[in-house]
Amino acid sequence: DSGVTQTPKHLITATGQRVTLRCSPRSGDLSVYWYQQSLDQGLQFLIQYYNGEERAKGNILERFSAQQFPDLHSELNLSSLELGDSALYFCASSLDLSYEQYFGPGTRLTVT
Amino acid sequence: DQQVKQNSPSLSVQEGRISILNCDYTNSMFDYFLWYKKYPAEGPTFLISISSIKDKNEDGRFTVFLNKSAKHLSLHIVPSQPGDSAVYFCAATITGGGNKLTFGTGTQLKVEL
Repeated sequence: DSGVTQTPKHLITATGQRVTLRCSPRSGDLSVYWYQQSLDQGLQFLIQYYNGEERAKGNILERFSAQQFPDLHSELNLSSLELGDSALYFCASSLDLSYEQYFGPGTRLTVT
Repeated sequence: DQQVKQNSPSLSVQEGRISILNCDYTNSMFDYFLWYKKYPAEGPTFLISISSIKDKNEDGRFTVFLNKSAKHLSLHIVPSQPGDSAVYFCAATITGGGNKLTFGTGTQLKVEL
């Protein structure tokens, strides 16, 4: 158990809908990262927050947004969902700006 | 553009033998490398890392080797155990440039009895 929690574990929704994925980092970790893993793909970095501020952005679509709250939990919002958004979404956290990131179990999103 | 490549999607090794997982990268700015292990239905777990100022780092049965001139790293597992069967991801980052990790596509290791 990495100490990073993600909810929900599974999500099935229809095209055009909007969903919110939630992540609670390990106790004491200030950085939160979001990654997307599509079928047969490696993990693709989406976005990083550090202590409530956006710190780095990857190939995140404009339909996607994220935020980190004062209690350090983070939410990833996905809107106008398309079939191609079906993937595993992982959240990770790290102590300060450490490079070793600790991953949650992921949320499997299925768009039908 | 796949900046971190794991060209072997799968590897099968007998228990007790050495497992060697390979990773190549194209971005010469990468200077810190990590290996993660992933079991089904779980998130990746950090295994071992290496800075570009070193060419080897050991942690128990796991050793990572870095060849900067070849832009190549490898993970050695000795001896391999059935519990090592998992997907292994290589990742790279540029220190001082944020903590974005660039991952390879993974290698499925199967350790057979």
